[in-house]
Amino acid sequence: QVQLQQWGAGLLKPSETLSLTCAVYGASLNDYYWSWIRRPPGKGLEWIGEINYSGITTYNPSLKSRVTISLDTSKKHFSLKLTSVTAADTAVYYCARGGSTTDYWGQGALVTVSS
Amino acid sequence: DIQMTQSPSSLSASVGDRVTITCRASQSISTYLNWYQQKPGKAPELLIYAASNLQSGVPSNFSGSGSGTDFTLTFSSLQPEDFATYFCQQSYTTPYTFGPGTKLEIK
Repeated sequence: QVQLQQWGAGLLKPSETLSLTCAVYGASLNDYYWSWIRRPPGKGLEWIGEINYSGITTYNPSLKSRVTISLDTSKKHFSLKLTSVTAADTAVYYCARGGSTTDYWGQGALVTVSS
Repeated sequence: DIQMTQSPSSLSASVGDRVTITCRASQSISTYLNWYQQKPGKAPELLIYAASNLQSGVPSNFSGSGSGTDFTLTFSSLQPEDFATYFCQQSYTTPYTFGPGTKLEIK
């Protein structure tokens, strides 16, 4: 049974760094791509980026200058960092298995950016 | 970026109805098209991949079709658990992009 469990700080001030981690159970990090996707309140889904089993990343150009996705195979988790957040980064953030097609998702984490 | 549009943005229907949702890409994406279902407070779930392939475990009352720029998601007979929001997503090229969603509500 594949499960993704994510955690991280839920309330940030503008200019701070968002940091989320996603632990993977029931699947090997070495066998898949892994993604982060977000959904701002009242809006649709936005793909943030992906990392493959070799640690090669691809980011959404709209966020590329601020995003880092990393992989820790020994700890069986992958992470998202987004620097210099603003209110526009307020969203539910999801981790997911897969790159172009994501078949298992984490439960989601609401991150609110507010002064 | 490839822009994805969906119609309608919302739809009221009854249990047992046959319903079709449409998704259009701003350029040809062959059959690199996925459909997701999302319920309030839950993560999206993959329903259909590669335009017409039913994800394992998904009920067979869903079906997908299309290629190029125009795609459809069809419910042969709506069930109570089908009332949710549906997103299409192109998996042709990065950045992968989603449609704005279609909210399916009970009439």
